[in-house]
Amino acid sequence: NAGVTQTPKFQVLKTGQSMTLQCAQDMNHNSMYWYRQDPGMGLRLIYYSASEGTTDKGEVPNGYNVSRLNKREFSLRLESAAPSQTSVYFCASSKRGQASYEQYFGPGTRLTVT
Amino acid sequence: GENVEQHPSTLSVQEGDSAVIKCTYSDSASNYFPWYKQELGKRPQLIIDIRSNVGEKKDQRIAVTLNKTAKHFSLHITETQPEDSAVYFCAASWGGGNEKLTFGTGTRLTIIP
Repeated sequence: NAGVTQTPKFQVLKTGQSMTLQCAQDMNHNSMYWYRQDPGMGLRLIYYSASEGTTDKGEVPNGYNVSRLNKREFSLRLESAAPSQTSVYFCASSKRGQASYEQYFGPGTRLTVT
Repeated sequence: GENVEQHPSTLSVQEGDSAVIKCTYSDSASNYFPWYKQELGKRPQLIIDIRSNVGEKKDQRIAVTLNKTAKHFSLHITETQPEDSAVYFCAASWGGGNEKLTFGTGTRLTIIP
């Protein structure tokens, strides 16, 4: 099992450009999440999807959109990138409704917006 | 919403000594409290978790304690080793079926050989 995979690993964008971060999991998990990690700020939830076909806002959703394409894939889109969106982005998944709520993280995408 | 505060932000201990990291949470409905470890340049990984019906949980050198009345929980690492050097994050969740976690801001633990 590959677990949770993310593409790309690194990306540099100019202000105003758009891009989509891809995430996929092969663990048959129901729930998927997008976080951003900034120095001194911990992990902040951007959007999550409790199950296929549903998405909901997290703590910092402004400037982002998501698509739960199917059970495996959950993408994050930046329509018009801003320098404030420079961050490391992590995707995660978990098996909803089980005794363990462990979230499994992908390797991260380091995004720089100039 | 939930707010999780974590202290200290940095911690240095001599190898072999113990380390303690503390977190407080605001939402009394929270009932699930995991701890994640993130090594430099790597992804966060779960190391231990505790639920609100349990006061303490141990896994070898790692333990977590929970005080629901005071709304705080702590991570204890005994006999620290160089490989314990990492950033540790606490988190809280009220469950409710969506496992949405609110994370603390992290503690950078450095083990001094």
